[in-house]
Amino acid sequence: DAKTTQPPSMDCAEGRAANLPCNHSTISGNEYVYWYRQIHSQGPQYIIHGLKNNETNEMASLIITEDRKSSTLILPHATLRDTAVYYCIVRLTDSWGKLQFGAGTQVVVTP
Amino acid sequence: DTEVTQTPKHLVMGMTNKKSLKCEQHMGHRAMYWYKQKAKKPPELMFVYSYEKLSINESVPSRFSPECPNSSLLNLHLHALQPEDSALYLCASSQDLREANYGYTFGSGTRLTVV
Repeated sequence: DAKTTQPPSMDCAEGRAANLPCNHSTISGNEYVYWYRQIHSQGPQYIIHGLKNNETNEMASLIITEDRKSSTLILPHATLRDTAVYYCIVRLTDSWGKLQFGAGTQVVVTP
Repeated sequence: DTEVTQTPKHLVMGMTNKKSLKCEQHMGHRAMYWYKQKAKKPPELMFVYSYEKLSINESVPSRFSPECPNSSLLNLHLHALQPEDSALYLCASSQDLREANYGYTFGSGTRLTVV
C-alpha cells in the first residue's frame, strides 16, 4: 500500500493561499493522488485528483513533483469556510480502487 | 442529481435493538461503500458493493449486515450493537469500482449512538 504523510495541522490567514503538503514516496506509477476534505461532522468532499500532471479546478490546484513522491494542494484564496480536515489519499489500483484515508491535516483559517 | 442521500441523520438505539441505515444515489454509479468514522479519526472502509454484489468485507463483525437491493440503494442492518459501535456511518458511491480515475461521492452520514 502506498502510504501518505501529512502534517497534523496548519494555520492559514484568510485571503492568503494555503499550501498543503503530502508525501507519498512509495506511490506506484499507476496510482492516482486524491485530495478530499471533511468539514466538521459532514461527509468527505472531493477536491481534486491527478496522476502525473498538475491539475486545477474551481476549488484548488494540485502540484505533483516529477518523481511523484510528493504533492501539494493549493487553495488560492483561503476563506473561513475552508477550515476542515484535508486528506491526501493514494488510490490503490491493485485493491479494486479502494479509497483508504490517512490521518489528514487539520487546517484552520483565521481572520 | 449529484448527491448521496443517507437516512436517518441521527439514530439512537439500544444494544438489543434492530435498526437499518439507508443510502440512496441516482447518479448511475455501480459501486457503493460503507465507511465508519469514530470521533477525531479518519473514515475506515467497511464494505464495498460492485454491481449490487458484495465485493469487499473489511473483516467487519456480523452484527453489521449490508444489503444492496438495487443499483441505487444500499442498506446497513444493525443488530446487537455495542456502545463502542457509536460512530458516524458514511455511505459513498463511485462510477465503477475498478476505475481509479473517478472520485467517490459521499453522503453526509448517519450519527449513530448505541446506549
